[in-house]
Amino acid sequence: NAGVTQTPKFRILKIGQSMTLQCTQDMNHNYMYWYRQDPGMGLKLIYYSVGAGITDKGEVPNGYNVSRSTTEDFPLRLELAAPSQTSVYFCASTATRARGTEAFFGQGTRLTVV
Amino acid sequence: AQSVTQLGSHVSVSEGALVLLRCNYSSSVPPYLFWYVQYPNQGLQLLLKYTSAATLVKGINGFEAEFKKSETSFHLTKPSAHMSDAAEYFCAVSDLGNAGGTSYGKLTFGQGTILTVHP
Repeated sequence: NAGVTQTPKFRILKIGQSMTLQCTQDMNHNYMYWYRQDPGMGLKLIYYSVGAGITDKGEVPNGYNVSRSTTEDFPLRLELAAPSQTSVYFCASTATRARGTEAFFGQGTRLTVV
Repeated sequence: AQSVTQLGSHVSVSEGALVLLRCNYSSSVPPYLFWYVQYPNQGLQLLLKYTSAATLVKGINGFEAEFKKSETSFHLTKPSAHMSDAAEYFCAVSDLGNAGGTSYGKLTFGQGTILTVHP
């Protein structure tokens, strides 16, 4: 059981380039999330999705876009990369929308924008 | 708004010593609280959670946490540290959500505490 899988694991982008971070889960979870992790700042929610075709903004959505065409996949797109987007990105999923539900995380994508 | 604060960005202990990682929360309603652990180059995994049942919560790998409403705290402890416990630990609170009462599983995280264990 793979759980949540993210690709790539590492990437270096030049300022102004774009890229898509891939996330897929095999647990049939409806709810998926993208967080970014910056040193000393914890994780911040970028976008989330409550099912195929439904997405919404989190705390720090500027500079990012998402789509959810299937239950399994939740890609995160960076348009016009900026140094401020240098971070570690985590995708997560939950089985329910309840407040106490456990989140399952991927291994992360470490992105550097130069 | 809900928030959590972790006191101490770095904690260092000797192998066999008590581990104490501090977390305080702010919430307008009874909170749902979590501790997640992140081992080097890995994603986060759940250690334990508090969902308004027993105030002393036992998790994996010998960790436990006690919910204290009077102190708005949810500190993580382990009686005897092991080298394999070296990791970053995050305290998190479940968001309040919308008027329908659901948070959609969204979490607000603390800043993280890096635990170092010395031989």
